[in-house]
Amino acid sequence: AQTVTQSQPEMSVQEAETVTLSCTYDTSENNYYLFWYKQPPSRQMILVIRQEAYKQQNATENRFSVNFQKAAKSFSLKISDSQLGDTAMYFCAFKRGNTGKLIFGQGTTLQVKP
Amino acid sequence: GAGVSQSPSNKVTEKGKDVELRCDPISGHTALYWYRQRLGQGLEFLIYFQGNSAPDKSGLPSDRFSAERTGESVSTLTIQRTQQEDSAVYLCASSLSGGASYNEQFFGPGTRLTVL
Repeated sequence: AQTVTQSQPEMSVQEAETVTLSCTYDTSENNYYLFWYKQPPSRQMILVIRQEAYKQQNATENRFSVNFQKAAKSFSLKISDSQLGDTAMYFCAFKRGNTGKLIFGQGTTLQVKP
Repeated sequence: GAGVSQSPSNKVTEKGKDVELRCDPISGHTALYWYRQRLGQGLEFLIYFQGNSAPDKSGLPSDRFSAERTGESVSTLTIQRTQQEDSAVYLCASSLSGGASYNEQFFGPGTRLTVL
């Protein structure tokens, strides 16, 4: 069975600084996808970034980028130029290639301080 | 356009009662998912509908939980004889399709269920 582990329950960063959130996963699959979701206090889950396992190039979306290390089964999220609106809970998620369901980590609560 | 909607937004019930939670997916989305999120925890997969295929029920925690979907529209999650451990936020999501694609899952705002 696949598992996703986020080892940092809480993190904080000063506004405009850079922060990295960690995620590791365990799978024997070769075809899969990885995601980072953001859940602000409003409870609305929002997709931040996604990565296909077969792509070696790390995904980037504006201030958000990932460091995907397939051999190490690591998928960290880097947030550059942190903004107050980035304050939220962040979830790493795994999806096997032939199924729709997402398997989530326990989440990391990120607070951006002014 | 309209996103995924869920109703009610909050539900308080007494232990032993049945509850129904509703999800309206984004129009045109063939895949629909239910997840449960306990306080301060990650999301747990419950069930997944894809078009006319048999649903993936592998995440349902007990036979007290069931879900239905009418065609490619509304879905209802039913919890019978509720227990206090069922207290959680129940999130629904939809996507253009599931399976081999990595289509983004769009989430609703959730229903917060409290079992007294």
